[in-house]
Amino acid sequence: TQLLEQSPQFLSIQEGENLTVYCNSSSVFSSLQWYRQEPGEGPVLLVTVVTGGEVKKLKRLTFQFGDARKDSSLHITAAQPGDTGLYLCAGGRNTNAGKSTFGDGTTLTVKP
Amino acid sequence: NAGVTQTPKFQVLKTGQSMTLQCAQDMNHNSMYWYRQDPGMGLRLIYYSASEGTTDKGEVPNGYNVSRLNKREFSLRLESAAPSQTSVYFCASSSGEGRKLFFGSGTQLSVL
Repeated sequence: TQLLEQSPQFLSIQEGENLTVYCNSSSVFSSLQWYRQEPGEGPVLLVTVVTGGEVKKLKRLTFQFGDARKDSSLHITAAQPGDTGLYLCAGGRNTNAGKSTFGDGTTLTVKP
Repeated sequence: NAGVTQTPKFQVLKTGQSMTLQCAQDMNHNSMYWYRQDPGMGLRLIYYSASEGTTDKGEVPNGYNVSRLNKREFSLRLESAAPSQTSVYFCASSSGEGRKLFFGSGTQLSVL
């Protein structure tokens, strides 16, 4: 079983602060995806990274794939209450996204 | 835009009862998936269907059966529900060649 460990498990911050969420594994993945999930809803894909060292930006969110393709990070600048949710990383070893290994998630709360 | 539709939204069963969770997608996707999500354990793949007429076991298939009724519909059946199957169940679909998963909004199942 390929494990993906996310840290921290819970994070509570004030609006305007910066934060970083980590996703680590001892296994190499061909791709790494980040999802956000709101209560009562399914996960929604934010980004897919496929190249070691790749950095992608989505507004205030910056995603990085480690050089060895074993880890990834999600950095949020100037967090807003709308960023509140469960953030999940998922590592894939082929093009079948559905067979990816999911991390346990980081629950982020941004207080106004 | 309906996307992936799951029914029911909530269900309470007694131990030993059976039920079928329904899932339908309107995106003409080839691949469909069933996951369960438990606190602190992320999403785990139960079964998947790479195309109409095929199904395969995922990480945690015991106690479940699936049917790919046609390209749109993929159902999950619990023949004899157990308390360990209390969870939130998500259906997802993908085009099969891409890495993007589209999730339904989930079914919260409690087995007493």
